[in-house]
Amino acid sequence: ETGVTQTPRHLVMGMTNKKSLKCEQHLGHNAMYWYKQSAKKPLELMFVYSLEERVENNSVPSRFSPECPNSSHLFLHLHTLQPEDSALYLCASSQVAGLGEKLFFGSGTQLSVL
Amino acid sequence: KQEVTQIPAALSVPEGENLVLNCSFTDSAIYNLQWFRQDPGKGLTSLLLIQSSQREQTSGRLNASLDKSSGRSTLYIAASQPGDSATYLCAVRGTGANNLFFGTGTRLTVIP
Repeated sequence: ETGVTQTPRHLVMGMTNKKSLKCEQHLGHNAMYWYKQSAKKPLELMFVYSLEERVENNSVPSRFSPECPNSSHLFLHLHTLQPEDSALYLCASSQVAGLGEKLFFGSGTQLSVL
Repeated sequence: KQEVTQIPAALSVPEGENLVLNCSFTDSAIYNLQWFRQDPGKGLTSLLLIQSSQREQTSGRLNASLDKSSGRSTLYIAASQPGDSATYLCAVRGTGANNLFFGTGTRLTVIP
């Protein structure tokens, strides 16, 4: 266990559904991240939260909506997704959103959009 | 924009062999470089982090080197074991960014 827990592990949803991904970190970190990993593509940063404030939004479509209610929890709300959104969604945390910090990743949610 | 390339995409070796994984990046203005391991269906585990001022880092049977001027890093694995089978990802952090730029990884299989 890395100290970063993601639920659910697998999710299948239709294009009209609304669902949420959850991430919880038990490491006392102050920064949390959402990454998308598609087959044969590099990991792409989606969002960064530092001290519960969003500090980066990497041109992500509005059908993805993040929420960080406190420094230990991060959500990714999904609605009207497209099949190309099928991917592994990874949450990560670090002590601060700084340049030298190691990232600790969760096991990911494997999302399939039908 | 920084681009990170890892070659080969896949590698199979017999148990006990020493091996080298390669990573190259296009912009040498980096803050640090990390090597990660990813098991199938799992998240990433950080193996080694090299700051831009360092040349190498070692952890057990792993040794990572960094040549910033040429835009290259290598991950050396000594005396490989079947448990080393995984995908190895290289990521560079640019200066002034919250982002890590990842390669697509090398999938390593160590054959017993």
